[in-house]
Amino acid sequence: QKEVEQNSGPLSVPEGAIASLNCTYSDRVSQSFFWYRQYSGKSPELIMSIYSNGDKEDGRFTAQLNKASQYVSLLIRDSQPSDSATYLCAVMNSGYSTLTFGKGTMLLVSP
Amino acid sequence: GAGVSQSPSNKVTEKGKDVELRCDPISGHTALYWYRQSLGQGLEFLIYFQGNSAPDKSGLPSDRFSAERTGGSVSTLTIQRTQQEDSAVYLCASSSTSVQGTDTQYFGPGTRLTVL
Repeated sequence: QKEVEQNSGPLSVPEGAIASLNCTYSDRVSQSFFWYRQYSGKSPELIMSIYSNGDKEDGRFTAQLNKASQYVSLLIRDSQPSDSATYLCAVMNSGYSTLTFGKGTMLLVSP
Repeated sequence: GAGVSQSPSNKVTEKGKDVELRCDPISGHTALYWYRQSLGQGLEFLIYFQGNSAPDKSGLPSDRFSAERTGGSVSTLTIQRTQQEDSAVYLCASSSTSVQGTDTQYFGPGTRLTVL
């Protein structure tokens, strides 16, 4: 059974701080990893994808991947109240195109 | 261009009734996925269609659930003899293979199903 684990939170940070969201996965041969943001009552929207070890930056967002540790993280710099949402980590299953999602971490950014 | 669309947005039904949920993927996307999300839970994979290949039905929770995809485009998820535990948001996603050979999935707005 492939598993993706995330702290449910909520993770509370003040406006302007760095929010750090973490995810671990069980399928050692997974190659593709995604972070989705989901506002309450809305569908998930893709923020970042990462396929190689190391960091990938896109604006205020940085995804970090460590395949040896089976660990993916998302850093949000200069957090804004509009970043308050649930962040879903998703791992593409090896040999397939389906995704296994974590249950998500709720982020709360206070003004 | 237009995103993934789903209908209806909300569906209330009585226990034991059949329901049909519709998904219209992004034009040109060959892959289509169905997920469901129960209150406070993560996304649960249900079924995956890729082109004309046989669908991956490994996530369907029971034989009351079925799905089809006509003409490689629109898909319908059917739940027969609905039960209260079927109440959830049903999400559809579509994708096309990117340059790196990965499939970034784009989600529709979902159908909120309530079984009374």
